[in-house]
Amino acid sequence: EVSLVESGGGLVQPGGSLRISCVASGFPLRIDWMHWVRQAPGKGLVWVSSINGYGSNTRYVDSVKGRFTISRDNAEDTVHLEMNSLRAEDTAVYYCVKDGGFGNFDVWGQGILVTVSS
Amino acid sequence: ETVLTQSPGTLSLSPGERATLSCRASQSVTSSLLAWYQQKPGQAPRLLIYGASRRAIGIPDRFSGSGSGTDFTLTISRLEPEDFAVYYCQQYVRSPPAYTFGQGTKLEIK
Repeated sequence: EVSLVESGGGLVQPGGSLRISCVASGFPLRIDWMHWVRQAPGKGLVWVSSINGYGSNTRYVDSVKGRFTISRDNAEDTVHLEMNSLRAEDTAVYYCVKDGGFGNFDVWGQGILVTVSS
Repeated sequence: ETVLTQSPGTLSLSPGERATLSCRASQSVTSSLLAWYQQKPGQAPRLLIYGASRRAIGIPDRFSGSGSGTDFTLTISRLEPEDFAVYYCQQYVRSPPAYTFGQGTKLEIK
């Protein structure tokens, strides 16, 4: 069974840093683009970042460029999102998502809550 | 940047009825790169439709997608109790690369 499990979320102060991770099972992580999508409380879905299978190509939504870094460790079937200079507006559930091959997201993790507050 | 606008914001229907959800793009979208998701409270979204009209694995055939250009539709032919949820459309643009979601349509029990 294909699954994604996120970890590392929690409460962080504004300006602080946090790294969230996602472990994949049931499929070879190295093949696919992987993404992070977030959802602020009571709000809609927003794509945050993507990384290709080799880790050589990364993409970010404008609001996190220069602050967030996506990376992957294919040997550990893991994707990370390093988040720096966090702001209150970064508060959200962050979902790790597998690329479906047509610009869509076909497997989702259960999500991890990141709260930025003093 | 292409903006996806979903309508209505909330749709109130009864089980057994037909639901029609709309997703309109601010500029033409490649149909093969348009998808629909279902999200229930406290759960992660689930892929329903990709390529505008292709059902994802395990999705019942009461769900169908259609459309092209700037206008896309998700239809649920006969609502089951488990279909009441929030639905999002989503598109992928290759240049510059970006993934955009609509704001969602809440399908509630009347």
